[in-house]
Amino acid sequence: AIQMTQSPSSLSASVGDRVTITCRASQVIRNDLGWYQQKPGKAPKLLIYAASSRQSGVPSRFSGSGSGTDFTLTISSLQPEDFATYYCLQDYDYPRTFGQGTKLEIK
Amino acid sequence: EVQLVDSGGGLVQPGGSLRLSCAASGFTFSSYEMNWVRQTPGKGLEWISFISSSGKTIYYADSVKGRFTISRDNGKNSLSLQMNSLRAEDTAVYYCASAITLVAGPFDSWGQGTLVTVSS
Repeated sequence: AIQMTQSPSSLSASVGDRVTITCRASQVIRNDLGWYQQKPGKAPKLLIYAASSRQSGVPSRFSGSGSGTDFTLTISSLQPEDFATYYCLQDYDYPRTFGQGTKLEIK
Repeated sequence: EVQLVDSGGGLVQPGGSLRLSCAASGFTFSSYEMNWVRQTPGKGLEWISFISSSGKTIYYADSVKGRFTISRDNGKNSLSLQMNSLRAEDTAVYYCASAITLVAGPFDSWGQGTLVTVSS
């Protein structure tokens, strides 16, 4: 199975900050990677697919980059509603595998 | 509007069984692959099972292989997960999920989740 290593596991930041979350795959997965935002008690929400394409309705402050094994999610200017947990997911192969998650907290 | 509604969760004793369901609407269910994903309390997300649109291709995570069975009824727009020999570590919120608007790719549509608690 493809392992997804996500870092950091937690992150404290302030409104207006720029933050970056990374995911590394244990093998090449082309650009078959998605990023999710999850808030307590809710299902994950897809933000980014194909590593860098924003899902419909997702604000432009969210961007993704990378290909092969290394991927990044960037939030350019944090808003209060962005404090949540973020996950990456490889959709290159089954079994699908998620990163361990990054909890983004208010500093 | 695409809608997935999960149901069937509850409290079950170790070794017991439970059947989860996912009711689909707003799209042509028979054309889409479906999955189950779970999330243990306070922990991350784990994909556990896949079924092709026809039902002919099925995959399981090693953690549930031999104990869980995924199935679908395209006539009733319904996905199911039969869970047997349940263990404490199966305690989780279970979601059905699929790539609907994207057709292929990461899961863009999720149910609201149903909580399964395995405890004596």
